[in-house]
Amino acid sequence: DQQVKQNSPSLSVQEGRISILNCDYTNSMFDYFLWYKKYPAEGPTFLISISSIKDKNEDGRFTVFLNKSAKHLSLHIVPSQPGDSAVYFCAASERNSGGSNYKLTFGKGTLLTVNP
Amino acid sequence: NAGVTQTPKFQVLKTGQSMTLQCAQDMNHEYMSWYRQDPGMGLRLIHYSVGAGITDQGEVPNGYNVSRSTTEDFPLRLLSAAPSQTSVYFCASSYWVNTEAFFGQGTRLTVV
Repeated sequence: DQQVKQNSPSLSVQEGRISILNCDYTNSMFDYFLWYKKYPAEGPTFLISISSIKDKNEDGRFTVFLNKSAKHLSLHIVPSQPGDSAVYFCAASERNSGGSNYKLTFGKGTLLTVNP
Repeated sequence: NAGVTQTPKFQVLKTGQSMTLQCAQDMNHEYMSWYRQDPGMGLRLIHYSVGAGITDQGEVPNGYNVSRSTTEDFPLRLLSAAPSQTSVYFCASSYWVNTEAFFGQGTRLTVV
């Protein structure tokens, strides 16, 4: 039962254009979402996050949008650069109301290729 | 500052052998976790810890043990290695589960 889904295994865009990476989730208890970037042979690195009380968060070229009713979030990269070529993971954590679930759940990732 | 230090980087084990993957962080983070990454499977949580002396199971805990005797260290033990445990393992630490996590460089483990 995959609770965080990244349905596009790969995405290819031209340098300077917008990259849009999508993520869907099924667990309505998720209240915090994070995006990580991973280069080959390296550990993932944090990109940007968003709380469920917001619908948008920006950090430079990166913007994350959250649509709670659709249980969907997206990461926009504008403009895309060749150095952005990497695997992007969406992750989510649950609202914890006195329970013991402190897990971070990752999607399977999307390989972004930005062509010069 | 070192961040998250994970050792070894590469390891080959024979089926049935045991070993410990080491993970240490110098950021005084409470939350630490271990993931495995397999082709097409993303990052799957093995075990996590919310502080010294407290550990819990993740999505794929079978065949692995952890302990957290100090805030800094969170070793992962493979009790009796199996070929299905061939994977890339990542340790991570963060202030809490929903804050920025810092990952180690990974351990590529092959079980033959």
